[in-house]
Amino acid sequence: AQSVTQLGSHVSVSEGALVLLRCNYSSSVPPYLFWYVQYPNQGLQLLLKYTSAATLVKGINGFEAEFKKSETSFHLTKPSAHMSDAAEYFCAVSKDTGFQKLVFGTGTRLLVSP
Amino acid sequence: GAVVSQHPSWVICKSGTSVKIECRSLDFQATTMFWYRQFPKQSLMLMATSNEGSKATYEQGVEKDKFLINHASLTLSTLTVTSAHPEDSSFYICSATPGSGASEQYFGPGTRLTVT
Repeated sequence: AQSVTQLGSHVSVSEGALVLLRCNYSSSVPPYLFWYVQYPNQGLQLLLKYTSAATLVKGINGFEAEFKKSETSFHLTKPSAHMSDAAEYFCAVSKDTGFQKLVFGTGTRLLVSP
Repeated sequence: GAVVSQHPSWVICKSGTSVKIECRSLDFQATTMFWYRQFPKQSLMLMATSNEGSKATYEQGVEKDKFLINHASLTLSTLTVTSAHPEDSSFYICSATPGSGASEQYFGPGTRLTVT
C-alpha cells in the first residue's frame, strides 16, 4: 500500500534561510508524488509533482523537490524563505497511476520568522 | 482559473440531525470529485470518489449510508452526513478534476463540521 511520512510537524526558519521539508514514501508501484501547500482558509494548492520524468522537479514560488528512489524520499526545498511561505505543506503519493486517489502525509507547518 | 468552492465553510449541527455540504467547480466541468476528511493534526483521508451521474465509490471503512454523496451535475457534488454524531466532527475537503486519468485535482477550502 502507498503511504507517505513527513518528518516534523513544525519547521521553523528565519527569513532568507534554506527551507527543507522532508517526505519519505512507500509505494508498491512507481509512484506519482506531489507537494501541496495550504494557506489559512484556502484550499490545497499544487506546488509541484513528480511523474517519472526528471528527478529534480521545479514548482511554483521557487520550490523544488528531488525524487530519490534509493532513499524513497521526495524532500521539498527552497533556497531562501520568504515570510509569505508560512503555511501548511502536504506531501502526497498517488494510489494508482495518475492523480486519482491521493494518500497524504500528516503535513508540516512552516513557520518563518523575520 | 480552476476554482473549487465549498459551502458552508463552517457548520454546527445537533446530534442526530443531517447536514449537507456542497462542493462546486466554478470555472470548469468536473468529471470526478473527491471527498476527504481531515482530523486535527492528521492527514487528509480520502472518503470517496464520485463521477458525474454515477454512484460514488467509497474507500474501505467509510459508511456509505452515513456519508451520502451525490454528483448530479458536472459542477456540483454534495456530501450529506446523516444522523450526525459528535465523532463526525471534522474538516471535510472536496477536490475536483476536469478529466479522468492524469488530471490535476483542485481543492476546495474545506468545511468544518461540529456536531454538538
